[in-house]
Amino acid sequence: QVQLVESGGGVVQPGRSLRLSCAASGFTFSSFAMHWVRQAPGKGPEWVAAISHDGSNQYFPDSLRGRFTISRDNSKNTLFLHMNSLRAEDTAVYYCAKPANYGDEYIQLWGQGTLVTVSS
Amino acid sequence: DIQMTQSPSSLSASVGDRVTITCQASQDISNYLNWYQQKPGKAPKLLIYDASNLDTGVPSRFSGGGSGTDFTFTISSLQPEDIATYYCQQYDNLRPLFTFGPGTKVDIK
Repeated sequence: QVQLVESGGGVVQPGRSLRLSCAASGFTFSSFAMHWVRQAPGKGPEWVAAISHDGSNQYFPDSLRGRFTISRDNSKNTLFLHMNSLRAEDTAVYYCAKPANYGDEYIQLWGQGTLVTVSS
Repeated sequence: DIQMTQSPSSLSASVGDRVTITCQASQDISNYLNWYQQKPGKAPKLLIYDASNLDTGVPSRFSGGGSGTDFTFTISSLQPEDIATYYCQQYDNLRPLFTFGPGTKVDIK
């Protein structure tokens, strides 16, 4: 079955960088776009980034473009999120997510998430 | 950017009740609207896509409707396992951009 396992979260000081990873299994990873979505404590989800199946295109909301980058290694079935200049408001659970078979725009299956806490 | 609102922000209903949640977009989004269920401590789960289509394996007591700016999500007969927060989410394929609503928390009375 499909599994998405995020790692790399933890406590980080403001202004520092962090890289999250997502190990995917149970599907043909290289055939699907992938997403990162985050959820701050007590808040609704917020879409963070998406990447095309081959990594040639990356997408971000305007609010995060320039600080966050997304990449993937299809040979290792792994998705990455690189976060720079972290701020307190970046504190959240970060989920990687796989789209539905019927379209990349449907964020269907989510991992269990990894918690990032930005604090001095 | 398109803003999403939901009402109510929370509700309490009895087992077997019909429950309806509304979601409004700040501009016309056609039917580009999905609904998610999130149980405490768990990741969100896609229930309905394109406003009215049930995802695979989703019980038929869940339904969705609407288009343009106004959408509804209905549980025809509330069950104890439906206790969760429900989010609408719009998507703009052209940019792309995905925006979630603030959520509706559903409890059993």
